[in-house]
Amino acid sequence: GESVGLHLPTLSVQEGDNSIINCAYSNSASDYFIWYKQESGKGPQFIIDIRSNMDKRQGQRVTVLLNKTVKHLSLQIAATQPGDSAVYFCAEMGGGSYIPTFGRGTSLIVHP
Amino acid sequence: KAGVTQTPRYLIKTRGQQVTLSCSPISGHRSVSWYQQTPGQGLQFLFEYFSETQRNKGNFPGRFSGRQFSNSRSEMNVSTLELGDSALYLCASSLEREQYFGPGTRLTVT
Repeated sequence: GESVGLHLPTLSVQEGDNSIINCAYSNSASDYFIWYKQESGKGPQFIIDIRSNMDKRQGQRVTVLLNKTVKHLSLQIAATQPGDSAVYFCAEMGGGSYIPTFGRGTSLIVHP
Repeated sequence: KAGVTQTPRYLIKTRGQQVTLSCSPISGHRSVSWYQQTPGQGLQFLFEYFSETQRNKGNFPGRFSGRQFSNSRSEMNVSTLELGDSALYLCASSLEREQYFGPGTRLTVT
């Protein structure tokens, strides 16, 4: 979920487990959402996106769920691998805006 | 296609100096956005350029400026550097709403 203060929330899982990373967004007018993965020393990498006319979208080993009623987004990673260890950000865009607003991020740690 | 490239990757400057960072977007992308990333503030939007025009601007002081060239390459400049400007500066290019990020320039101000 969203971070409080200076510290990122952390999710620790074992290799092979499924991971769920949550994000609460603030703008009810947001109509486009993206999940990014950022590994240490690298820029954010696009994972998956979803538009507000959908409530679920699947990619390779990842699924994004959107609940507009409670303004909540989640990223599910199946069979988590050590290479999935990174910080995951959600981003929202609203009303035709091309500028995303980013969440604070969640640190995912996968233990072999 | 080649991804977004940023130069230099690392930079150390002294307080009061100025710095120019460069970004080459993905071929065909006309929008380039700049972000500052710090542990305390996360990813913060600086500005966006589209077809050589600043289309959107974040809430940063005038010391932060940018420009875009006719080939969509972009530069950002920070004048009169402060210690608090130490950060990872990220550039992202986009065709529509999906943004693709470069590796960033790590700026350290001493």
